[in-house]
Amino acid sequence: EPEVTQTPSHQVTQMGQEVILRCVPISNHLYFYWYRQILGQKVEFLVSFYNNEISEKSEIFDDQFSVERPDGSNFTLKIRSTKLEDSAMYFCASSLMNTEAFFGQGTRLTVV
Amino acid sequence: AQSVTQPDIHITVSEGASLELRCNYSYGATPYLFWYVQSPGQGLQLLLKYFSGDTLVQGIKGFEAEFKRSQSSFNLRKPSVHWSDAAEYFCAVAPFGNEKLTFGTGTRLTIIP
Repeated sequence: EPEVTQTPSHQVTQMGQEVILRCVPISNHLYFYWYRQILGQKVEFLVSFYNNEISEKSEIFDDQFSVERPDGSNFTLKIRSTKLEDSAMYFCASSLMNTEAFFGQGTRLTVV
Repeated sequence: AQSVTQPDIHITVSEGASLELRCNYSYGATPYLFWYVQSPGQGLQLLLKYFSGDTLVQGIKGFEAEFKRSQSSFNLRKPSVHWSDAAEYFCAVAPFGNEKLTFGTGTRLTIIP
């Protein structure tokens, strides 16, 4: 069964460092998303991406965040200068026709 | 703005017993509704979804949910739980398809023998 894969599963980074979280969506999907879940809190929408551009973003997704689909298969989330409050589980998701989203296993980001 | 409320933070059920997890939403029109499950160390797996039509929807793993417009609810049910159902369950809503899902805080389900 096709699945969304995310790497790494756990990333530890120092405050102020740049980090790139990687995702390989399901191959024929057209819509891509990033969500995050701070420990003990609800899953929150960050950004959606379609046709090589951001279609919607939340207030969390400020200038420190960017997304890219560099090669037609990967979908990345970059955080330019990480802060302690960026520590969270980050989920990538993809969907074919803007219907049901398939989520990856998540990347746990720890900022120290 | 849409919102989702899952009033039960933690529910404990005996194996073989029936289950109902509650979900209430707030949205101006009929939203698209979803239930996801997250097992420890795993990602979010879609259990079922409601877009339109029959208000009782069937999902995977023997789960079903009923959309009640008058109560703004989308409760998840299972007639007989199995130990493997122990997980965190999230209700979610979206205004169109699944663009920008809004999640509830989740209900943690514990199964006792």
